Parts: sequence; structure tokens; C-alpha cells
Amino acid sequence: GENVGLHLPTLSVQEGDNSIINCAYSNSASDYFIWYKQESGKGPQFIIDIRSNMDKRQGQRVTVLLNKTVKHLSLQIAATQPGDSAVYFCAEKNSGGSNYKLTFGKGTLLTVNP
Amino acid sequence: KAGVTQTPRYLIKTRGQQVTLSCSPISGHRSVSWYQQTPGQGLQFLFEYFSETQRNKGNFPGRFSGRQFSNSRSEMNVSTLELGDSALYLCASSRGQVDYGYTFGSGTRLTVV
Repeated sequence: GENVGLHLPTLSVQEGDNSIINCAYSNSASDYFIWYKQESGKGPQFIIDIRSNMDKRQGQRVTVLLNKTVKHLSLQIAATQPGDSAVYFCAEKNSGGSNYKLTFGKGTLLTVNP
Repeated sequence: KAGVTQTPRYLIKTRGQQVTLSCSPISGHRSVSWYQQTPGQGLQFLFEYFSETQRNKGNFPGRFSGRQFSNSRSEMNVSTLELGDSALYLCASSRGQVDYGYTFGSGTRLTVV
């Protein structure tokens, strides 16, 4: 798959457990953050986003937490399922000026054991 | 509602050749971004187009170029291919506002031999 050879941080959990995936972002000026899920052979799939004026946002089974003080982002997945197995990327964006690019983290490989 | 369509899905080229990849964004989306994904470097930004204008460019050599058409479809071209250009090339579309989520296509897997 696309991630063969990439030494990703890995997280292995049991089905039904909660998962927490962490991300340290680099730019203190970033004000928009997205979590993506990428399964083998597919492009990144949007999970949830958060703006810098928030510190928590919840979706269906997922919660994103943002700590701007230490430039840290986390994704919590409740009741993890085998279908959640994938690589998870955080992405940051500085909406100021004429910047329209996303900067991605290295990714975390989540494996859910049935 | 159709997603982001990238063609072709797979491509094998020889060093020195050139290649053109295509991306059709979600209907109504006017921004198209391109990213290169490799095992060593992860996801890296190539360029972004909005209404046929390149608004941002990443740190890639001039061999990498792109364009966007009036219907928002975009193409990227890589000339004088090198082995290191082997990668998954991903296209993402968005409405073009500063903080709307980007929707990715499935990518084009380019192998240079």
C-alpha cells in the first residue's frame, strides 16, 4: 500500500475500546485543523475539522481536541471498530494571507483487533 | 453527488518521459489542490488552483506544473521524469474558501522505471 516503508507511529487497540491519536503541529499561526483517515488504496477521507477559536469539537464517535498552548491536536474515536483500521493524518492550515495549502503530519497507523 | 475523480488510477512511465494527470473536482468546487504522497516524505503540497489561477505553489522543481480549466478540471504535468517521482498523486477539491474541508480523490499511482 501507500504507506509501505513509512515508519509510522502505530496504535493497536481492541475492538470496542476508545482510541486516542495525537498530533503535534508545527505552525503557531495555523488556525484551521483537519483529521483525515486513509485506507489502503484510497485517498484521505475527511473525518472532522476544528478552528482555532475552539478547543473541542465532536462528531459521530469522534472528538477532536485542540491545545494551542502546546500546539497539540488529538483525535478520540469511541468504541473503535475494525473498519476504523487505517492511517490517520492531521493537517493544519494558516488561513491568513493567500495561503491555501494543507500541511500534513506524518500519520499514525491504527490497527483494531477484533 | 460525484466525488473527486482522478485519472488514470495507475501509470507506469520510463525515466525522461513526461506525464499528465487529470482531476475533476466535485461539482461546484472551484479550488483544486495537488499533493504528492511518498513513503519517505508523506503528503506534500504541490500547488493549488482557483478559477484557473495558481494561488499557491509548493517546494517542487519546475518540472512539476499544472493548470486549471474554466470548468474547474485540473491537470498536472511532470516532465523529464525521475525515479524519485514515483508516488501517489492526490487531488483535492474545495469550494475555495479559506476553511472549508478539502475532499480528496483516490489518487493516481505513478511508477517511474
